[in-house]
Amino acid sequence: QQPVQSPQAVILREGEDAVINCSSSKALYSVHWYRQKHGEAPVFLMILLKGGEQKGHEKISASFNEKKQQSSLYLTASQLSYSGTYFCGTELYFGNEKLTFGTGTRLTIIP
Amino acid sequence: DAEITQSPRHKITETGRQVTLACHQTWNHNNMFWYRQDLGHGLRLIHYSYGVHDTNKGEVSDGYSVSRSNTEDLPLTLESAASSQTSVYFCASSAGTGRLYEQYFGPGTRLTVT
Repeated sequence: QQPVQSPQAVILREGEDAVINCSSSKALYSVHWYRQKHGEAPVFLMILLKGGEQKGHEKISASFNEKKQQSSLYLTASQLSYSGTYFCGTELYFGNEKLTFGTGTRLTIIP
Repeated sequence: DAEITQSPRHKITETGRQVTLACHQTWNHNNMFWYRQDLGHGLRLIHYSYGVHDTNKGEVSDGYSVSRSNTEDLPLTLESAASSQTSVYFCASSAGTGRLYEQYFGPGTRLTVT
């Protein structure tokens, strides 16, 4: 079952902050975040593991609430280059190594 | 530099024809994945492989097949193309070792079935 992302779309002015949420009905081992610009391939942003370990982009932060099986991606002081569609991908257990992606959140940054 | 490539980038085919989409990675990654992307559905997993001679069905595998004869390649075959298979197809790979790994995506193949 696909994780649920919210909001589906958001429009921000440059410099504003955004939060994108990803919720799962199942217990998760990890959450991955990717960004896709129009006509391009998805690009890795962050991984968050159950237990707190994470790896990712310097200017983007995220959290993983294990009790709620929810992850949030925080985009602060947004730049025009942040525009794109953000996808979360969820992994159910260690070693599963395949992701189930949400339907995406379209972020538009305007000057 | 290591990379992941897909070919062709665009393909138009007729209903009922067999089509094969190529995916080649030079990362030496164990894991490879095929996704389709459709508006409103995000990325959905078709098939995946954890290594040579290993293949597994994803959530939308009907009408598709894969085979893995070496580390670098995972071709995706549509046995008898249907209009419902018109989509953008992405191949991805990951190292499959350790706990913190990411998937690297190819540039995609836009397939139109008429």
